[in-house]
Amino acid sequence: ETGVTQTPRHLVMGMTNKKSLKCEQHLGHNAMYWYKQSAKKPLELMFVYSLEERVENNSVPSRFSPECPNSSHLFLHLHTLQPEDSALYLCASSQEFGPYEQFFGPGTRLTVL
Amino acid sequence: GESVGLHLPTLSVQEGDNSIINCAYSNSASDYFIWYKQESGKGPQFIIDIRSNMDKRQGQRVTVLLNKTVKHLSLQIAATQPGDSAVYFCAENIFRNQFYFGTGTSLTVIP
Repeated sequence: ETGVTQTPRHLVMGMTNKKSLKCEQHLGHNAMYWYKQSAKKPLELMFVYSLEERVENNSVPSRFSPECPNSSHLFLHLHTLQPEDSALYLCASSQEFGPYEQFFGPGTRLTVL
Repeated sequence: GESVGLHLPTLSVQEGDNSIINCAYSNSASDYFIWYKQESGKGPQFIIDIRSNMDKRQGQRVTVLLNKTVKHLSLQIAATQPGDSAVYFCAENIFRNQFYFGTGTSLTVIP
């Protein structure tokens, strides 16, 4: 185990639903990340939080809304998603924001119907 | 066996043989690189890293080689085992401290 947990592991939702993904890290890290992993595509960085402040937002549609209440927890709130948003959503953390090893959680497999 | 960058996404090797997985990176200013292993149903797992002031770094059964002249990174796995079967991808640290991840190479170890 990497010390990063994600719930739920699988999620199926309709386009009008509202759901949230949760990530928790037990490593004492100061930076947390959300990535999207689609089939046969590279990992796409979505959001970065450093010390609970959002430092990166890579042109992600507003139907994805991150929240970082403290340095150990990260949420991704989902609202009116599209079928093309179906993917594996990975959370990661690193000691600091920057060129440091990132520890990944197991991911949430999201299917949007 | 050897795969080249992102153009050969699969690699099959016999158990016990050495594996070489290659990665071509994009930015000559990148100064930190990581190799990750991702097994089915799991998140990426750190294998080994290397900074641009080094050409080679060794871990347990793995070696990473960095050739900055041609912007090439390779991962060598010695005595490949069935448990090594996974997707391997490299990540380069680019501008604004973000990582760019490759699509990966799928390694299959034949018993």
